[in-house]
Amino acid sequence: QVQLHQSGPGLVKPSQTLSLTCAISGDSVFSNSAAWNWIRQSPSRGLEWLGRTYYRSKWYNDYAVSVKSRITVNPDTSKNQFSLQLNSVTPEDTAVYYCVRDMEWAMALWGQGTLVTVSS
Amino acid sequence: QTVVTQEPSLTVSPGGTVTLTCASSTGAVTSGYYPNWFQQKPGQAPRALIYSTNNKHSWTPARFSGSLLGGKAALTLSGVQPEDEAEYYCLLYYGGVWVFGGGTKLTVL
Repeated sequence: QVQLHQSGPGLVKPSQTLSLTCAISGDSVFSNSAAWNWIRQSPSRGLEWLGRTYYRSKWYNDYAVSVKSRITVNPDTSKNQFSLQLNSVTPEDTAVYYCVRDMEWAMALWGQGTLVTVSS
Repeated sequence: QTVVTQEPSLTVSPGGTVTLTCASSTGAVTSGYYPNWFQQKPGQAPRALIYSTNNKHSWTPARFSGSLLGGKAALTLSGVQPEDEAEYYCLLYYGGVWVFGGGTKLTVL
């Protein structure tokens, strides 16, 4: 049974970096059929896809235009997990963050969600 | 910036049929946008219902179906149940980038 388990702080100060990790069990971050995504949800912005990493003989990344200058999604192959870093956060980045597996165009497997609040 | 548009709200009677749609600001939605549909109830994470236009997950009730309709992606609920009251979101793929719709609040009344 494949599962995603998120970890990371729930409170980040403005201008600092938001960092979350998503541990994968039952699948491999090297999967040639999967892409590993970060999605967030807030009352003001709704559901928003942020970015992804995936392996097809080499590593690729894609990012949403809205966060492209501030985001990094990286695999951690030694721990079979992937991470989200979002720099220079503001209160607008307050949201529930989800890691999600896309398996052949199906965004079916979601992590438990992490509420991240940006506040001093 | 690409915008994906859904009906803000719809109301349906129990046992009835309702179709939710998902339009793209770039033009007609085709299978190449790999439409996904999600259901979300208050306090819960989104739950996947449909992928690649019309494919159901193993947990998707038979009364939910996906299609392309008039240049849009569509989610049809047939024989609506009270427990189908929820927010529904579509998700479209734009060659490397995914974009969510704003959601449709479905009321069963």
